[in-house]
Amino acid sequence: DAKTTQPTSMDCAEGRAANLPCNHSTISGNEYVYWYRQIHSQGPQYIIHGLKNNETNEMASLIITEDRKSSTLILPHATLRDTAVYYCIVRPNTGTASKLTFGTGTRLQVTL
Amino acid sequence: DGGITQSPKYLFRKEGQNVTLSCEQNLNHDAMYWYRQDPGQGLRLIYYSQIVNDFQKGDIAEGYSVSREKKESFPLTVTSAQKNPTAFYLCASRTGTGGYQPQHFGDGTRLSIL
Repeated sequence: DAKTTQPTSMDCAEGRAANLPCNHSTISGNEYVYWYRQIHSQGPQYIIHGLKNNETNEMASLIITEDRKSSTLILPHATLRDTAVYYCIVRPNTGTASKLTFGTGTRLQVTL
Repeated sequence: DGGITQSPKYLFRKEGQNVTLSCEQNLNHDAMYWYRQDPGQGLRLIYYSQIVNDFQKGDIAEGYSVSREKKESFPLTVTSAQKNPTAFYLCASRTGTGGYQPQHFGDGTRLSIL
């Protein structure tokens, strides 16, 4: 699986957009980009995933660059409950046999 | 509500004892997974199962065992052979259709040694 690089930590004011970058310069053509977050002492929560087009759901937007070497997760109006560790993962489309490889992620702190 | 239920939330093991962690899902998912998370680290795959009555070892299967007798259930046994079992254990599941479908996680079981 391709390796991802994320900043160790970020701060965001409540109500503002949180933009979390991820570098995956060695991504292969069949690998999807997934974002999860983990609030302390809970299981990871799936947020969004994409292949090459930008994606949006009720939680967030995912912007993938045209060359697919990096992506940005956008939380449009961050709240205190969005404080968590955010993980960017790339994984090939190989069905159920493929594991998720979590790195160290970005610790997002949302402040008043 | 549909979801993945892990129990118990906290578990304590004595030396030489086997303990079993429960994972149940009502999402009708085909595949189920067990991961281990140590403090400040990412998740490591212990075992996974793609269909009933079949399972495969992950990266750190030694000292663990699983069964998959029902689609909804994938219990993990931490045996006495696992010398460092203290960790946060996470169960996940996903549908078998569409190779890109995401895994969804339960809220975990925290295992400690007495």
